[in-house]
Amino acid sequence: QLQLQESGPGLVKPSETLSLTCTVSGGSISSSSYYWGWIRQPPGKGLEWIGSIYYSGSTYYNPSLKSRVTISVDTSKNQFSLKLSSVTAADTAVYYCARHNVGIQYHWYFDLWGRGTLVTVSS
Amino acid sequence: SYVLTQPPSVSVAPGKTARITCGGNNIGSKSVHWYQQKPGQAPVLVIYYDSDRPSGIPERFSGSNSGNTATLTISRVEAGDEADYYCQVWDSSSDHPNWVFGGGTKLTVL
Repeated sequence: QLQLQESGPGLVKPSETLSLTCTVSGGSISSSSYYWGWIRQPPGKGLEWIGSIYYSGSTYYNPSLKSRVTISVDTSKNQFSLKLSSVTAADTAVYYCARHNVGIQYHWYFDLWGRGTLVTVSS
Repeated sequence: SYVLTQPPSVSVAPGKTARITCGGNNIGSKSVHWYQQKPGQAPVLVIYYDSDRPSGIPERFSGSNSGNTATLTISRVEAGDEADYYCQVWDSSSDHPNWVFGGGTKLTVL
């Protein structure tokens, strides 16, 4: 069955760029039924949607993070990636990648999640 | 942006019914999705489009949505249902699509 796996550095210095990749296995990222998203969860806190991308490269970003976020896709590798620039301690969180199910209008939901990866921002 | 309000905690005895609410302005006009997150694990979708259950989710999980409140109902609660639960909707008030989560509710099975 389809699985998602996050990868990338677990420690990033303040003011630098956080970079993560999500590898999709057991299925194609080039499906018309799905976008592919990033969600984060600071320790002990709730979930925050970061952004989502379609296999064609079309993206949606959380307005509160938009100025610092870039999400890209590599269909040849069945991967999509997240870059978050100018990070601070407030960006310390578990970062999840997830399949974003395209539904009625924009009433979309996340129907499959990776295990998540903890990224700590510290010098 | 659109705000979803959940109670921080709900407690229920085994075998009883748990109801977790998600409040929002005219949330009944939106489609609400619910996620279960057990400690140290990724969230799992348990309800989508207000009341639909993904395959593999027990019938004990159900959802409703009307007015300013959506509700996740868990019948015949089991110890394994102890988890954090999050609601999620599309924030249509933004210029561009934006998806928001509630703050989460910790379900404790007594």
